[in-house]
Amino acid sequence: DAGITQSPRHKVTETGTPVTLRCHQTENHRYMYWYRQDPGHGLRLIHYSYGVKDTDKGEVSDGYSVSRSKTEDFLLTLESATSSQTSVYFCAINDAGGGSYEQYFGPGTRLTVT
Amino acid sequence: TQLLEQSPQFLSIQEGENLTVYCNSSSVFSSLQWYRQEPGEGPVLLVTVVTGGEVKKLKRLTFQFGDARKDSSLHITAAQPGDTGLYLCGCRAGGTSYGKLTFGQGTILTVHP
Repeated sequence: DAGITQSPRHKVTETGTPVTLRCHQTENHRYMYWYRQDPGHGLRLIHYSYGVKDTDKGEVSDGYSVSRSKTEDFLLTLESATSSQTSVYFCAINDAGGGSYEQYFGPGTRLTVT
Repeated sequence: TQLLEQSPQFLSIQEGENLTVYCNSSSVFSSLQWYRQEPGEGPVLLVTVVTGGEVKKLKRLTFQFGDARKDSSLHITAAQPGDTGLYLCGCRAGGTSYGKLTFGQGTILTVHP
């Protein structure tokens, strides 16, 4: 199994509070991704990173920001959580160095915004 | 953004039955992956298909990539309760995509003993 951990695994927070989710990898992969998963929507890309301090927006980036100060860590921040951000969040990695675009996922973080 | 349509969205069958899940797009895929996800866990890669017409087998699972590389299917023979889960297809965006994938909405499979 790819060495990917996410923390916390579960979180309940109130509307308007800031929340930071952490993804940590031990594979030294260049590319990292944050997705959210909601019923009927599969996985939707929030933000991604293609190197340290190199990040860009995905298809559902509004209300989210990210940072990557080290290869192994990719942080997702909800500046002011809203109920619509209640979801399961997954981090994924790949190296794409050999032309493979296979992604490896962490175990997920279930976030509930009340 | 390339859109993927998966069908059916839900599938409930008895143990021993066969099933097929489809993944379709109006655009050509560069490559396509199939993932399986169990409750409370992240998706796990099953297979990658790259070449039009390609067929790959993984025990009782058979994956096909359409000749025109715009569709793919996953066929499970003699389904077992352990096959229960969410099946997702994901395709690579072409060009300089930074390894990004677009996913279908998933097929929830339930296999009853």
